[in-house]
Amino acid sequence: NAGVTQTPKFQVLKTGQSMTLQCAQDMNHNSMYWYRQDPGMGLRLIYYSASEGTTDKGEVPNGYNVSRLNKREFSLRLESAAPSQTSVYFCASSPREQGANTEAFFGQGTRLTVV
Amino acid sequence: GDSVTQMEGPVTLSEEAFLTINCTYTATGYPSLFWYVQYPGEGLQLLLKATKADDKGSNKGFEATYRKETTSFHLEKGSVQVSDSAVYFCALSPSPGGNNRLAFGKGNQVVVIP
Repeated sequence: NAGVTQTPKFQVLKTGQSMTLQCAQDMNHNSMYWYRQDPGMGLRLIYYSASEGTTDKGEVPNGYNVSRLNKREFSLRLESAAPSQTSVYFCASSPREQGANTEAFFGQGTRLTVV
Repeated sequence: GDSVTQMEGPVTLSEEAFLTINCTYTATGYPSLFWYVQYPGEGLQLLLKATKADDKGSNKGFEATYRKETTSFHLEKGSVQVSDSAVYFCALSPSPGGNNRLAFGKGNQVVVIP
């Protein structure tokens, strides 16, 4: 039972490089999320997708773009990486029941370092 | 908007001690409430949940009661073990008609000393 799968698990980038973080879920969930986790800051929402074809900005969207390719996949792209984007990135998904999102299921995280 | 507030700072305690982590929330309507746990190097896992007022969620010896009158969902465990050392997050899911985004607290690091 795979759940939410993120790739890669670790990545080192040079400033200015671009990359895409991949996320896929096999639970047929409507909603998907990208968060970043930094020491002392908890989880901060980068982007949210309520359904295929829709995306909304979260708290910290600057420097990122997303694509909800289909119901399963939600990718996060850094067009020009900066050291401030060094963080642990988590993808999550949640089902929706009676119009509300229920608990989120998280991937294992991508540890990104920008040098 | 909807938000969750957790008590500040890490929590350090001895094995078999009583653990309480405070969580209060701000939300309209009737959100669902959750506690997540994150072990080192891992993603967040659901620990317990409650979906309506006065519900008590429980799992692995942890408990939390949904108190609408005080807008709280405090996490408790009667006797902690070293294996309970982790980061604990309180979260809410807005009631239908809201912005549909989960809201998380900042998390509390719990360290249990043998």
